[in-house]
Amino acid sequence: DVKVTQSSRYLVKRTGEKVFLECVQDMDHENMFWYRQDPGLGLRLIYFSYDVKMKEKGDIPEGYSVSREKKERFSLILESASTNQTSMYLCASSLAHGQFFGPGTRLTVL
Amino acid sequence: AQSVAQPEDQVNVAEGNPLTVKCTYSVSGNPYLFWYVQYPNRGLQFLLKYITGDNLVKGSYGFEAEFNKSQTSFHLKKPSALVSDSALYFCAVRGLYNNNDMRFGAGTRLTVKP
Repeated sequence: DVKVTQSSRYLVKRTGEKVFLECVQDMDHENMFWYRQDPGLGLRLIYFSYDVKMKEKGDIPEGYSVSREKKERFSLILESASTNQTSMYLCASSLAHGQFFGPGTRLTVL
Repeated sequence: AQSVAQPEDQVNVAEGNPLTVKCTYSVSGNPYLFWYVQYPNRGLQFLLKYITGDNLVKGSYGFEAEFNKSQTSFHLKKPSALVSDSALYFCAVRGLYNNNDMRFGAGTRLTVKP
């Protein structure tokens, strides 16, 4: 079975802090994704990566950056956290059909 | 660009009754369609997908979905609901050639009452 893990289930940070969310997949998938999930809005794509060191902006990249130095790891970075970035963050990976999701990180920015 | 709509924020059914969670889609060309389920404080779990072939797709936990091209719909169904089916359900679509552009609906919260 594909396993996608995220470094934290719950995270509380202060406004202005730099925040790192880590995601690791164990199935050698080329594609990895970061979404945020907010009530009534479904999942919105922040960034995705189709190969090591390759990245593309999704629908809502503002305030975020990403890093993919190794194929199995895709990091989401909040350069200066703000309260409107309080959300559930979901990582996913895929090879062909469909995406496999991690358990999510619920981030609260105070 | 592709999109999906889940017209119901909330669906309530009694245990043992059939359930339907609705989804309509918009995509150029042939769609790949998916249903995911999310339990509280968890990530999304894959339920089933339609790629091609039989319009009735069977998935995990007794769920099935019917692809209807003329109505551009992909409704999720289960003949007999369980209390444990209570969760948030997401429909998703992507185009045939672009795995990197999957669009999700806003989600439908299913509550099954004993």
